[in-house]
Amino acid sequence: EPEVTQTPSHQVTQMGQEVILRCVPISNHLYFYWYRQILGQKVEFLVSFYNNEISEKSEIFDDQFSVERPDGSNFTLKIRSTKLEDSAMYFCASIRGMGEKLFFGSGTQLSVL
Amino acid sequence: TQLLEQSPQFLSIQEGENLTVYCNSSSVFSSLQWYRQEPGEGPVLLVTVVTGGEVKKLKRLTFQFGDARKDSSLHITAAQPGDTGLYLCAGASTSGTYKYIFGTGTRLKVLA
Repeated sequence: EPEVTQTPSHQVTQMGQEVILRCVPISNHLYFYWYRQILGQKVEFLVSFYNNEISEKSEIFDDQFSVERPDGSNFTLKIRSTKLEDSAMYFCASIRGMGEKLFFGSGTQLSVL
Repeated sequence: TQLLEQSPQFLSIQEGENLTVYCNSSSVFSSLQWYRQEPGEGPVLLVTVVTGGEVKKLKRLTFQFGDARKDSSLHITAAQPGDTGLYLCAGASTSGTYKYIFGTGTRLKVLA
């Protein structure tokens, strides 16, 4: 079965540093997402991306966050100046179209110290 | 804002018992998915339901989508320790961005 790939699996950073989380969605998928899950809490929507632009973003996705699909295969989430409360598991996901299976990556565990 | 509430939040049962997990919203969803998540891993899709009233079975798991497409249930028959995990429902937004909203989760523990 095709997979969404995320790297790194773990990222430790100092508060105030920039981090880039990387994802390779499934090749024929058209919609891409970032979600996050703070330990013990629900999976929260951050942003959706379609046709090379953000289609929707949540309140969590403030000016410190940005997404890019620089080369048609990678899909990145950048946090410009990390805060302690950004510590979470970040999941990338993609789907081909409405009602289709949402494929998740295995996540990047971000720890901000 | 579309919200999905799951109940119960926590469930601890003995092997062989039956259980039902509920996923409720005041909003309509175009489809609804159920996931199981193990610690430190991403959610793994169990099933997608699309049509109001739809029932799908996956071995001992039965999933139902409400007639109005606002709620869903997951029923497990004769639970086994291997069913232990976090169960999440996720509704597909009707807004056109195909965003999936996740429920609050049900943590199930099946004791041998």
